[in-house]
Amino acid sequence: DGGITQSPKYLFRKEGQNVTLSCEQNLNHDAMYWYRQDPGQGLRLIYYSQIVNDFQKGDIAEGYSVSREKKESFPLTVTSAQKNPTAFYLCASSLPHRGLDSPLHFGNGTRLTVT
Amino acid sequence: GENVGLHLPTLSVQEGDNSIINCAYSNSASDYFIWYKQESGKGPQFIIDIRSNMDKRQGQRVTVLLNKTVKHLSLQIAATQPGDSAVYFCAEKSRASKIIFGSGTRLSIRP
Repeated sequence: DGGITQSPKYLFRKEGQNVTLSCEQNLNHDAMYWYRQDPGQGLRLIYYSQIVNDFQKGDIAEGYSVSREKKESFPLTVTSAQKNPTAFYLCASSLPHRGLDSPLHFGNGTRLTVT
Repeated sequence: GENVGLHLPTLSVQEGDNSIINCAYSNSASDYFIWYKQESGKGPQFIIDIRSNMDKRQGQRVTVLLNKTVKHLSLQIAATQPGDSAVYFCAEKSRASKIIFGSGTRLSIRP
């Protein structure tokens, strides 16, 4: 089945350590996204990539970094510079069709806890 | 499970009744709208979308209504089932902007 795979589901790190969250998709989608979700809030965009080897900052990019070396993969690194890294992280992808908007398809998230 | 939606508005519905979840959007230039369902511990799942050239769209047991005059979007779920329990998000997008998500509504089903 096609889909988006995020791993691991739960991740624990000590403060001051960088950590990388994995996101892989086999939907052949061009665009990929990283969102952060906190209790009682909507999804906030961290980074997005419209095409391989290109990515843009979202609304809350500080303390995060990404790469897009392959179409299928869009890993997110949470650096020690991120002030409040504990959150639920969601990866998504989409396939813009003939210039029309299309829905994002999400993975099942990674819950990161930093102590 | 995840504590997503800890302080969200909650809609409680009797099993078998219809549910109506409302969403007010902010940007009058938004021309594409999406509803998502998020179960505990999972990512949001696409339910239905609608473009601004329509005011109603139906799917399987779901209907989305769009009122551009008052910037209001609603999701109607017919014959609500226990499996419909989740947090529901609306999202809006204009050509000049990225998708913006609402904070969500929790749907709770009474047996």
